[in-house]
Amino acid sequence: NAGVTQTPKFQVLKTGQSMTLQCAQDMNHEYMSWYRQDPGMGLRLIHYSVGAGITDQGEVPNGYNVSRSTTEDFPLRLLSAAPSQTSVYFCASSSHLAGETGELFFGEGSRLTVL
Amino acid sequence: AQRVTQPEKLLSVFKGAPVELKCNYSYSGSPELFWYVQYSRQRLQLLLRHISRESIKGFTADLNKGETSFHLKKPFAQEEDSAMYYCALRNTGFQKLVFGTGTRLLVSP
Repeated sequence: NAGVTQTPKFQVLKTGQSMTLQCAQDMNHEYMSWYRQDPGMGLRLIHYSVGAGITDQGEVPNGYNVSRSTTEDFPLRLLSAAPSQTSVYFCASSSHLAGETGELFFGEGSRLTVL
Repeated sequence: AQRVTQPEKLLSVFKGAPVELKCNYSYSGSPELFWYVQYSRQRLQLLLRHISRESIKGFTADLNKGETSFHLKKPFAQEEDSAMYYCALRNTGFQKLVFGTGTRLLVSP
């Protein structure tokens, strides 16, 4: 089991460029989410999904797009990058089926710098 | 709205000293509380959940609904406990998890 895999690990963008952060999990988890981690602000939820075809906004969704066409994948899209989106991004997944703990499993993180 | 407050950004103690990382929450429903930990160069991982009422790596946390707190405690800190600790809250029956701002614990020899 690879768990939660995020790519790329590092990325530098110029203001206005677009990019997609990829996230894949092989644990058949129905719940997937994206967080950003900023100094002094902790982990803030960007978007989340409770299953294929279902997504919802978290605390800081502006400037980000998501889709969930399969159970395994949950990409995060930045349509027009801004310096304020410089951050470390974490993808996480969990299962809430009967008997599961609902523990959130995290990827290694993607460090994004927007110049 | 769900909110988790961790008032200390940094907690610095000496090895062998007691540790208490504070967490307060605001929520009107039936919350589930968690502590997650991020060691240097490792992924964020679950440390403990209030439902299981267990001790992990010597850490315990008791949910106090009257004070809306879920403080993390350890009687004798070890250097390997140095890490970033996040308190998190979830509405029972739902999946969305909200985190606090985190406390960096530094244990010096």
